[in-house]
Amino acid sequence: TQLLEQSPQFLSIQEGENLTVYCNSSSVFSSLQWYRQEPGEGPVLLVTVVTGGEVKKLKRLTFQFGDARKDSSLHITAAQPGDTGLYLCAGARWGKLQFGAGTQVVVTP
Amino acid sequence: GAVVSQHPSWVICKSGTSVKIECRSLDFQATTMFWYRQFPKQSLMLMATSNEGSKATYEQGVEKDKFLINHASLTLSTLTVTSAHPEDSSFYICSATGTSGEQYFGPGTRLTVT
Repeated sequence: TQLLEQSPQFLSIQEGENLTVYCNSSSVFSSLQWYRQEPGEGPVLLVTVVTGGEVKKLKRLTFQFGDARKDSSLHITAAQPGDTGLYLCAGARWGKLQFGAGTQVVVTP
Repeated sequence: GAVVSQHPSWVICKSGTSVKIECRSLDFQATTMFWYRQFPKQSLMLMATSNEGSKATYEQGVEKDKFLINHASLTLSTLTVTSAHPEDSSFYICSATGTSGEQYFGPGTRLTVT
């Protein structure tokens, strides 16, 4: 059973379009992290959100942590082919990370 | 900063043999290291948590006698897959946590058991 539900599982869009990935849970997390993973590589940390309602921006990426610290979203503006990858959310509880199933994003030129 | 390396990056071994995978934090001391396994098109599943100088804590369903973890120093943890079988073939990823509490991941090790 996946503690963190990510949606959608797969997203294919054209370059220049916007996209949003959601990460939902019934559990409260002390923090939530977003990673991007390329095939055959380890996940790379994009951002950590800690405070309920927090919004963080990283260039064209906007991350939001829900007020109750149970859910989060990742929004990419004007997606580029370089944004292609597996996006993973992970919630921190008791020093451990629990990962969502991931969202495979494909951005075509 | 916060670089984690793994060695080897890929390994092929015969069924019944043992394989050791190393995880190193290169520019920080890792209070805790974690070992994950990832099957194709699936997410990361935590196998065990290891703290320097103490026994690893294994997640439910992970056989501690099959997956031996040694955390010899603040910069090195090893995972040994003993008596490997084809079903152990997977992508093994370690992560290390420093004082910030954030986990930094290694590049992963692809294990194929023939």
